[in-house]
Amino acid sequence: SQTIHQWPATLVQPVGSPLSLECTVEGTSNPNLYWYRQAAGRGLQLLFYSVGIGQISSEVPQNLSASRPQDRQFILSSKKLLLSDSGFYLCAWSPKTGGNEKLFFGSGTQLSVL
Amino acid sequence: RKEVEQDPGPFNVPEGATVAFNCTYSNSASQSFFWYRQDCRKEPKLLMSVYSSGNEDGRFTAQLNRASQYISLLIRDSKLSDSATYLCAVNYNTDKLIFGTGTRLQVFP
Repeated sequence: SQTIHQWPATLVQPVGSPLSLECTVEGTSNPNLYWYRQAAGRGLQLLFYSVGIGQISSEVPQNLSASRPQDRQFILSSKKLLLSDSGFYLCAWSPKTGGNEKLFFGSGTQLSVL
Repeated sequence: RKEVEQDPGPFNVPEGATVAFNCTYSNSASQSFFWYRQDCRKEPKLLMSVYSSGNEDGRFTAQLNRASQYISLLIRDSKLSDSATYLCAVNYNTDKLIFGTGTRLQVFP
Protein backbone atom coordinates (compact mmCIF):
# COMPACT_ATOMS: atom_id res chain seq x y z
CA SER A 1 0.00 0.00 0.00
CA GLN A 2 1.05 3.58 -0.54
CA THR A 3 2.16 5.83 2.29
CA ILE A 4 3.28 9.42 2.44
CA HIS A 5 5.68 10.73 5.04
CA GLN A 6 6.07 14.38 5.93
CA TRP A 7 8.29 15.90 8.57
CA PRO A 8 8.68 17.62 10.92
CA ALA A 9 5.21 17.76 12.47
CA THR A 10 5.80 21.14 14.05
CA LEU A 11 8.41 23.80 13.48
CA VAL A 12 9.09 27.16 15.08
CA GLN A 13 11.46 29.38 13.13
CA PRO A 14 12.58 33.00 13.48
CA VAL A 15 11.90 35.50 10.72
CA GLY A 16 14.71 35.48 8.17
CA SER A 17 15.77 31.89 8.82
CA PRO A 18 15.81 29.22 6.09
CA LEU A 19 13.26 26.46 5.72
CA SER A 20 13.34 22.92 4.42
CA LEU A 21 10.35 20.60 4.61
CA GLU A 22 10.61 17.12 3.17
CA CYS A 23 8.02 14.71 1.90
CA THR A 24 8.46 11.17 0.61
CA VAL A 25 6.03 8.69 -0.87
CA GLU A 26 6.32 4.91 -0.69
CA GLY A 27 4.58 2.14 -2.53
CA THR A 28 4.06 3.88 -5.85
CA SER A 29 6.11 5.28 -8.69
CA ASN A 30 5.90 8.43 -10.79
CA PRO A 31 3.25 10.10 -8.64
CA ASN A 32 2.10 13.68 -8.97
CA LEU A 33 3.28 15.58 -5.88
CA TYR A 34 1.88 18.72 -4.30
CA TRP A 35 2.56 21.28 -1.60
CA TYR A 36 -0.44 23.07 -0.09
CA ARG A 37 -0.60 25.67 2.66
CA GLN A 38 -3.50 26.28 4.97
CA ALA A 39 -3.42 29.50 6.94
CA ALA A 40 -5.34 29.65 10.23
CA GLY A 41 -9.08 29.51 9.52
CA ARG A 42 -8.58 29.50 5.78
CA GLY A 43 -8.72 27.07 2.89
CA LEU A 44 -6.07 25.00 1.21
CA GLN A 45 -3.87 27.01 -1.11
CA LEU A 46 -1.91 25.12 -3.75
CA LEU A 47 1.71 26.28 -3.71
CA PHE A 48 3.54 23.89 -6.03
CA TYR A 49 2.94 20.70 -7.92
CA SER A 50 5.18 18.34 -9.81
CA VAL A 51 4.42 15.73 -12.44
CA GLY A 52 7.96 14.35 -12.57
CA ILE A 53 11.56 14.66 -11.42
CA GLY A 54 12.79 18.21 -11.81
CA GLN A 55 9.38 19.43 -13.06
CA ILE A 56 7.91 22.06 -10.76
CA SER A 57 4.89 24.27 -11.37
CA SER A 58 4.44 27.27 -9.11
CA GLU A 59 0.95 28.48 -8.40
CA VAL A 60 1.57 31.52 -6.24
CA PRO A 61 4.48 33.98 -6.38
CA GLN A 62 6.21 33.99 -3.04
CA ASN A 63 9.53 33.49 -1.33
CA LEU A 64 9.11 29.72 -1.27
CA SER A 65 10.53 27.21 -3.73
CA ALA A 66 10.12 23.51 -4.34
CA SER A 67 12.33 20.79 -5.72
CA ARG A 68 11.89 17.16 -6.70
CA PRO A 69 15.32 15.57 -6.71
CA GLN A 70 13.96 12.02 -6.79
CA ASP A 71 10.80 10.43 -8.10
CA ARG A 72 9.13 10.13 -4.70
CA GLN A 73 10.72 13.04 -2.86
CA PHE A 74 9.36 16.58 -2.75
CA ILE A 75 11.04 19.40 -0.83
CA LEU A 76 9.71 22.83 0.10
CA SER A 77 12.30 25.49 0.85
CA SER A 78 12.81 29.10 1.67
CA LYS A 79 15.99 31.11 2.03
CA LYS A 80 14.41 33.68 4.38
CA LEU A 81 11.12 33.10 6.13
CA LEU A 82 8.53 35.84 6.56
CA LEU A 83 5.90 36.14 9.28
CA SER A 84 3.28 35.52 6.61
CA ASP A 85 4.79 32.09 5.89
CA SER A 86 3.24 30.73 9.07
CA GLY A 87 0.67 28.07 8.43
CA PHE A 88 -0.10 24.39 8.09
CA TYR A 89 1.88 22.89 5.20
CA LEU A 90 0.58 19.75 3.59
CA CYS A 91 2.30 17.50 1.10
CA ALA A 92 0.10 15.31 -1.05
CA TRP A 93 0.36 12.80 -3.85
CA SER A 94 -1.93 11.49 -6.53
CA PRO A 95 -1.62 8.67 -9.03
CA LYS A 96 -1.44 9.47 -12.72
CA THR A 97 -4.73 8.06 -13.91
CA GLY A 98 -5.57 10.56 -16.63
CA GLY A 99 -8.33 12.27 -14.76
CA ASN A 100 -10.34 11.86 -11.59
CA GLU A 101 -7.18 12.02 -9.52
CA LYS A 102 -7.68 11.70 -5.81
CA LEU A 103 -5.25 13.38 -3.48
CA PHE A 104 -3.73 11.71 -0.45
CA PHE A 105 -2.19 13.96 2.15
CA GLY A 106 0.70 13.69 4.53
CA SER A 107 0.12 14.49 8.18
CA GLY A 108 1.24 18.11 7.74
CA THR A 109 3.76 20.49 9.27
CA GLN A 110 2.59 23.30 11.52
CA LEU A 111 5.05 26.14 10.88
CA SER A 112 5.18 29.14 13.17
CA VAL A 113 7.41 32.02 12.11
CA LEU A 114 8.16 34.37 15.01
CA ARG B 1 -15.44 34.99 -8.12
CA LYS B 2 -13.63 32.16 -6.35
CA GLU B 3 -13.13 28.96 -8.30
CA VAL B 4 -14.69 26.86 -5.54
CA GLU B 5 -16.94 28.32 -2.85
CA GLN B 6 -18.42 26.94 0.33
CA ASP B 7 -20.43 28.35 3.20
CA PRO B 8 -17.94 28.37 6.10
CA GLY B 9 -20.63 27.65 8.68
CA PRO B 10 -20.52 26.57 11.40
CA PHE B 11 -23.49 24.30 11.08
CA ASN B 12 -24.56 23.35 14.59
CA VAL B 13 -26.90 20.34 14.57
CA PRO B 14 -28.14 17.87 17.19
CA GLU B 15 -27.29 14.20 17.06
CA GLY B 16 -29.57 12.34 14.68
CA ALA B 17 -30.22 15.35 12.47
CA THR B 18 -29.80 15.46 8.72
CA VAL B 19 -27.54 18.18 7.40
CA ALA B 20 -26.55 19.19 3.88
CA PHE B 21 -23.70 21.27 2.51
CA ASN B 22 -23.34 22.76 -0.93
CA CYS B 23 -20.25 23.73 -2.86
CA THR B 24 -20.32 25.82 -6.03
CA TYR B 25 -17.66 25.86 -8.72
CA SER B 26 -17.06 28.41 -11.44
CA ASN B 27 -15.51 26.39 -14.26
CA SER B 28 -18.09 24.49 -16.25
CA ALA B 29 -15.33 22.30 -17.69
CA SER B 30 -14.70 20.72 -14.29
CA GLN B 31 -14.34 16.98 -14.51
CA SER B 32 -13.88 15.46 -11.08
CA PHE B 33 -15.35 16.27 -7.71
CA PHE B 34 -14.57 15.14 -4.20
CA TRP B 35 -15.52 15.66 -0.58
CA TYR B 36 -12.78 15.62 2.05
CA ARG B 37 -13.08 15.63 5.82
CA GLN B 38 -10.58 17.54 7.95
CA ASP B 39 -10.34 17.30 11.71
CA CYS B 40 -8.77 20.14 13.66
CA ARG B 41 -5.01 20.40 13.00
CA LYS B 42 -5.04 17.21 10.94
CA GLU B 43 -4.66 16.49 7.27
CA PRO B 44 -7.73 16.29 5.00
CA LYS B 45 -8.90 12.76 4.30
CA LEU B 46 -10.89 11.69 1.30
CA LEU B 47 -14.51 11.11 2.27
CA MET B 48 -15.97 10.30 -1.11
CA SER B 49 -15.82 11.03 -4.79
CA VAL B 50 -18.85 12.62 -6.41
CA TYR B 51 -20.22 10.96 -9.52
CA SER B 52 -22.63 12.37 -12.06
CA SER B 53 -25.33 9.91 -11.08
CA GLY B 54 -24.91 10.65 -7.39
CA ASN B 55 -23.49 8.19 -4.91
CA GLU B 56 -24.09 7.01 -1.40
CA ASP B 57 -21.82 5.60 1.26
CA GLY B 58 -23.68 4.66 4.40
CA ARG B 59 -25.09 7.83 5.95
CA PHE B 60 -23.37 10.04 3.37
CA THR B 61 -24.82 10.98 0.00
CA ALA B 62 -23.04 13.09 -2.61
CA GLN B 63 -24.73 14.71 -5.57
CA LEU B 64 -23.55 16.67 -8.60
CA ASN B 65 -25.62 19.29 -10.39
CA ARG B 66 -23.76 20.27 -13.54
CA ALA B 67 -26.44 22.65 -14.78
CA SER B 68 -26.18 24.79 -11.65
CA GLN B 69 -22.51 23.98 -11.07
CA TYR B 70 -22.63 22.73 -7.55
CA ILE B 71 -22.03 19.57 -5.57
CA SER B 72 -23.69 18.63 -2.33
CA LEU B 73 -23.05 16.40 0.65
CA LEU B 74 -25.90 15.06 2.76
CA ILE B 75 -25.26 13.50 6.14
CA ARG B 76 -28.10 11.54 7.72
CA ASP B 77 -28.43 10.57 11.38
CA SER B 78 -25.53 12.83 12.41
CA LYS B 79 -23.10 11.48 15.00
CA LEU B 80 -20.91 13.41 17.40
CA SER B 81 -17.94 11.98 15.51
CA ASP B 82 -19.11 13.71 12.33
CA SER B 83 -17.98 17.04 13.80
CA ALA B 84 -15.25 18.27 11.45
CA THR B 85 -14.63 20.58 8.53
CA TYR B 86 -15.82 19.32 5.17
CA LEU B 87 -13.86 20.44 2.12
CA CYS B 88 -15.01 20.13 -1.44
CA ALA B 89 -12.45 19.78 -4.22
CA VAL B 90 -12.73 20.19 -7.97
CA ASN B 91 -10.43 19.02 -10.74
CA TYR B 92 -10.46 20.87 -14.08
CA ASN B 93 -9.03 17.90 -15.95
CA THR B 94 -5.53 19.04 -15.09
CA ASP B 95 -3.04 17.77 -12.58
CA LYS B 96 -4.33 19.81 -9.67
CA LEU B 97 -7.28 19.89 -7.30
CA ILE B 98 -8.77 23.20 -6.21
CA PHE B 99 -10.28 23.21 -2.74
CA GLY B 100 -13.01 25.22 -1.15
CA THR B 101 -12.39 26.85 2.21
CA GLY B 102 -14.47 24.23 3.97
CA THR B 103 -17.71 24.06 5.94
CA ARG B 104 -17.48 23.44 9.66
CA LEU B 105 -19.96 21.03 11.20
CA GLN B 106 -20.54 20.75 14.93
CA VAL B 107 -22.84 17.98 16.14
CA PHE B 108 -24.04 18.40 19.72
CA PRO B 109 -25.64 15.86 22.09
